[in-house]
Amino acid sequence: EVQLAESGGALVQPGGSLRLSCAASGFAFSSYEMNWVRQAPGKGLEWVSYSSSSDSTKHYADSVKGRFTTSRDNAKNSLYLQLNSLRAEDTAVYYCARVRTGVNAFDIWGQGTMVTVSS
Amino acid sequence: DIQMTQSPSTLPASVGDRVTITCRASQSISSWLAWYQQKPGKAPKLLIYKASSLETGVPSRFSGSGSGTEFTLTISSLQPDDFATYYCQQYNSLWTFGQGTKVEIK
Repeated sequence: EVQLAESGGALVQPGGSLRLSCAASGFAFSSYEMNWVRQAPGKGLEWVSYSSSSDSTKHYADSVKGRFTTSRDNAKNSLYLQLNSLRAEDTAVYYCARVRTGVNAFDIWGQGTMVTVSS
Repeated sequence: DIQMTQSPSTLPASVGDRVTITCRASQSISSWLAWYQQKPGKAPKLLIYKASSLETGVPSRFSGSGSGTEFTLTISSLQPDDFATYYCQQYNSLWTFGQGTKVEIK
């Protein structure tokens, strides 16, 4: 079964750091582009970052540029998001999502992991 | 950056109703638009891609149309399982989501 599973969410103080992981299974992870999307409590979806299949190309939303870094380890079928200089407005459920090849829409999503930034 | 605006924000409806949600892009995105359904506490689910292509396994009562800057998602006959929040997403230039439309019981 094709699956994505996020982990690493936690309660962290403002200014702190966190690393999220997304474990992929059931498909050839190294062939797919991947993204992170977040959703603040009671709010809509916000695209966060993109990683090409080889990890050579990355893009970030302006709201996280310079603070968040996406990476991947294709040998471990894993995608990562390093969150630094966290702010209260970064509080959200963070999802990883697979890009449908040739379509660019997100066809597979994980269940999400909660990040809470609060003192 | 491309902005996506959905309307309405909330849509009261009854089972069997024909439901239409509109999504407008701040600039032309050709047909690079997807629609997702999200239920509380769950991840979004892809319904439609490339404006009008139905994702495998999605019921045929869902349809999408439009190109350029104006798009619609239509549910031909609303079913109990369809009460949810729907998001449009452009992928012409990176990715941007609309603010969502909650389809609720009238």
